[in-house]
Amino acid sequence: DSGVTQTPKHLITATGQRVTLRCSPRSGDLSVYWYQQSLDQGLQFLIQYYNGEERAKGNILERFSAQQFPDLHSELNLSSLELGDSALYFCASSPASSYNEQFFGPGTRLTVL
Amino acid sequence: GESVGLHLPTLSVQEGDNSIINCAYSNSASDYFIWYKQESGKGPQFIIDIRSNMDKRQGQRVTVLLNKTVKHLSLQIAATQPGDSAVYFCAETTNQGGKLIFGQGTELSVKP
Repeated sequence: DSGVTQTPKHLITATGQRVTLRCSPRSGDLSVYWYQQSLDQGLQFLIQYYNGEERAKGNILERFSAQQFPDLHSELNLSSLELGDSALYFCASSPASSYNEQFFGPGTRLTVL
Repeated sequence: GESVGLHLPTLSVQEGDNSIINCAYSNSASDYFIWYKQESGKGPQFIIDIRSNMDKRQGQRVTVLLNKTVKHLSLQIAATQPGDSAVYFCAETTNQGGKLIFGQGTELSVKP
């Protein structure tokens, strides 16, 4: 158990809909990262937050947004969903002293029908 | 458990043998190179990292080798065990912090 929790574990929805994925980092970790793992793209970095502020951005679509709240939990919002958004979405956290050792949650499996 | 279902390179080894997993990285400016292990149905798990100014680093049963001349990274696992069966990803990052760029992954299968 990495100490990072993600909910829900599975999500099935229809095209055009909007969903919210939630992540609670390990206690004390200020950085939260979101990654997408899909069949054709592999593991891709989406976005990083540090103590409530956006720190780095990857190939995140404009339809996707994220935020980190004062209690350090984070949410990833996916809107106008398309079939191609079906993937595993991982959240990870790390202490400020070590960005390399990121602790990944169990992921949310999103299926868009 | 769930699997991603990628068509990954695979390495099959006998229990007790040593395993070598290779990775070609892309960015000469990366400051750190990292290996992650992903078991079926789970998120990636950190194994070991190496700074760009080093060429070898050892951990418990694992060794990472870095060859910057040819942009090549390898992970050696000694005395491979069935519990080592997983997909192994190399990743790279910079001192700017945080963003990991993952490689394709290699599936390691250990036969008892």
